[in-house]
Amino acid sequence: SQQGEEDPQALSIQEGENATMNCSYKTSINNLQWYRQNSGRGLVHLILIRSNEREKHSGRLRVTLDTSKKSSSLLITASRAADTASYFCATPPGLSSGSARQLTFGSGTQLTVLP
Amino acid sequence: DTEVTQTPKHLVMGMTNKKSLKCEQHMGHRAMYWYKQKAKKPPELMFVYSYEKLSINESVPSRFSPECPNSSLLNLHLHALQPEDSALYLCASSREGTGNTIYFGEGSWLTVV
Repeated sequence: SQQGEEDPQALSIQEGENATMNCSYKTSINNLQWYRQNSGRGLVHLILIRSNEREKHSGRLRVTLDTSKKSSSLLITASRAADTASYFCATPPGLSSGSARQLTFGSGTQLTVLP
Repeated sequence: DTEVTQTPKHLVMGMTNKKSLKCEQHMGHRAMYWYKQKAKKPPELMFVYSYEKLSINESVPSRFSPECPNSSLLNLHLHALQPEDSALYLCASSREGTGNTIYFGEGSWLTVV
């Protein structure tokens, strides 16, 4: 079953603008991960944020996590045409689950950065 | 570049064929996964192997048969598939334990005719 929902489903911006994608999830988690997928390719891990972290940066990426609202956001600053891809949040099963290895992916945001 | 290698990249098979998808990683990961992804949808978990043993089967039809010959290899055997099984099949691996990054291969595009 799908754990996360993302919005918007699609986002189109001009090169140089910032892009913000949001993810909401249902159960308690110990971490949340963001992945990127270029069209027809595999997924690439971008960043992992743990439940005791509120914000994390990696290059032009900034991720926030609000466990009280069960939501996360991914901000890409100074976007480039090469950032065009689908972006997915992913969470392990709920903390009460006996297994926490596998990930459940959100519905994804298709980002298009126009040159 | 991914360190999880999947072959073949593309596969077309008839509904009566038997074929296999292969996956290999040399990162020393002891958890390996198969995901299925339809167009414009998120990946859906199919199977999880932990230390070469099947630990999770997400109610996948028996026409999909996974196999983990050793800690580096993961196969997905396909038999009597249906056209609706056409999808991108993604292999992934990670270290055991919680909170670890999962590394994905580039996927195998499967078309069932």
